[in-house]
Amino acid sequence: GENVEQHPSTLSVQEGDSAVIKCTYSDSASNYFPWYKQELGKGPQLIIDIRSNVGEKKDQRIAVTLNKTAKHFSLHITETQPEDSAVYFCAATNNDMRFGAGTRLTVKP
Amino acid sequence: EAGVAQSPRYKIIEKRQSVAFWCNPISGHATLYWYQQILGQGPKLLIQFQNNGVVDDSQLPKDRFSAERLKGVDSTLKIQPAKLEDSAVYLCASSLVETGVAEAFFGQGTRLTVV
Repeated sequence: GENVEQHPSTLSVQEGDSAVIKCTYSDSASNYFPWYKQELGKGPQLIIDIRSNVGEKKDQRIAVTLNKTAKHFSLHITETQPEDSAVYFCAATNNDMRFGAGTRLTVKP
Repeated sequence: EAGVAQSPRYKIIEKRQSVAFWCNPISGHATLYWYQQILGQGPKLLIQFQNNGVVDDSQLPKDRFSAERLKGVDSTLKIQPAKLEDSAVYLCASSLVETGVAEAFFGQGTRLTVV
């Protein structure tokens, strides 16, 4: 089955800086790659997603890139704010959705 | 639009007891997932339903875990008997598209503590 690896496990940045989280996947048939944000005591919430026929997608301060050949995708957050502090999960989907281990992002004011 | 509803929010049981969790997905969503999230880890897929049929249960410990989806809508996940290592948050999610390649909406989860 699909195996998703996510790095780094923790990330601390200064407010206003950029944050980058990277994931690799093993199943070349995976075709949908969502990113979720999870705050304490809540379920994961989708923040951005990308499909395999697209290389990059942007939504305001958040962008995701996908390299199908290398089987890796990344989340980029620019102009980080304290409210961006949370745990972020990547996932890869080929009929079922498998998650990475998560990245705890801390944005220091 | 109402979100995915789960109950209870919290449950504490002793090992070897049984427990059941309930999930009501978003109306009209064909796909329903149950995930187990151990503290500090990513969600691990336990079982995926499309309507009332099982698509993937390869990671469900079938000797103690069972799940059903009644009439393709609500779902229950049961653990019997529970072990200490079952302590986790159990998340239910649903998505509209039957292929599963679509946004999944998560409930708040049920936090299970086995003592």
